[in-house]
Amino acid sequence: QKEVEQNSGPLSVPEGAIASLNCTYSDRVSQSFFWYRQYSGKSPELIMSIYSNGDKEDGRFTAQLNKASQYVSLLIRDSQPSDSATYLCAVPNSGGYQKVTFGTGTKLQVIP
Amino acid sequence: GAGVSQSPRYKVAKRGQDVALRCDPISGHVSLFWYQQALGQGPEFLTYFQNEAQLDKSGLPSDRFFAERPEGSVSTLKIQRTQQEDSAVYLCASSRQLFSGANVLTFGAGSRLTVL
Repeated sequence: QKEVEQNSGPLSVPEGAIASLNCTYSDRVSQSFFWYRQYSGKSPELIMSIYSNGDKEDGRFTAQLNKASQYVSLLIRDSQPSDSATYLCAVPNSGGYQKVTFGTGTKLQVIP
Repeated sequence: GAGVSQSPRYKVAKRGQDVALRCDPISGHVSLFWYQQALGQGPEFLTYFQNEAQLDKSGLPSDRFFAERPEGSVSTLKIQRTQQEDSAVYLCASSRQLFSGANVLTFGAGSRLTVL
C-alpha cells in the first residue's frame, strides 16, 4: 500500500459546481496534512493545511480530515476554470524531521 | 532571496553525461528537500538536508545520484552517467521548520532534465 493515495483522475466538473478531491494515508499517527495545487508546467504551491479532525474553510476551499478513517479531502466550491490543475495531497511523517510524502495527484478539469 | 531559485531550468544531456542541478533556498530556511517528479506523477522524495547535514538520502534511486549542501545554504544535486530513466523534473523545496511543527514547503520552479 502506498503511503498516500489519490485517484489520478481526471475529475471533470462544470463551472460553478463543487469539486471533491480525496486522499487516504497509511501512517496512523500523522498529525498534519496539506493540499498543494500544481498548474501544468509549474511547481506545487500550498493552498490548504489541516491538523484537527473536522472541517477547515478558507474562501472557496474546505479541507476535511477524518483521522480514524485516515482520510483527508478537499472541496472546492463554485469551481472556476482557473481551478483546473493537479491537486497533490501531502502528508509529513510523524516525528523526526517530517519527511513529506506526496500522493500522485488528482487532475481537476473545470469545464466552462 | 524571496523564493527558491533553481538552475538550470532546462537541461538536455546525452546518455552517460554527468549533470549538476543547483538549488538556492529561501534565506534562513533550515530544511531543504529534493524531489523527482516524472510526467503525470506526484513528487517523489529523494533526499533531505537540515542545514549542511544530509539526514535522509533514502530516496536517491542509485549511487549515481549525489547531493550536497556544504555551507547549509545552496544545494547541488549531481547525477552521474545519466540514463534515460533519469528524465524528470527535479524539484527543490525549502522550509524554515525543523522538527516540531508542520513542514510547509516552498518549491522552486524545478529543473527539467531530458536524457537523450
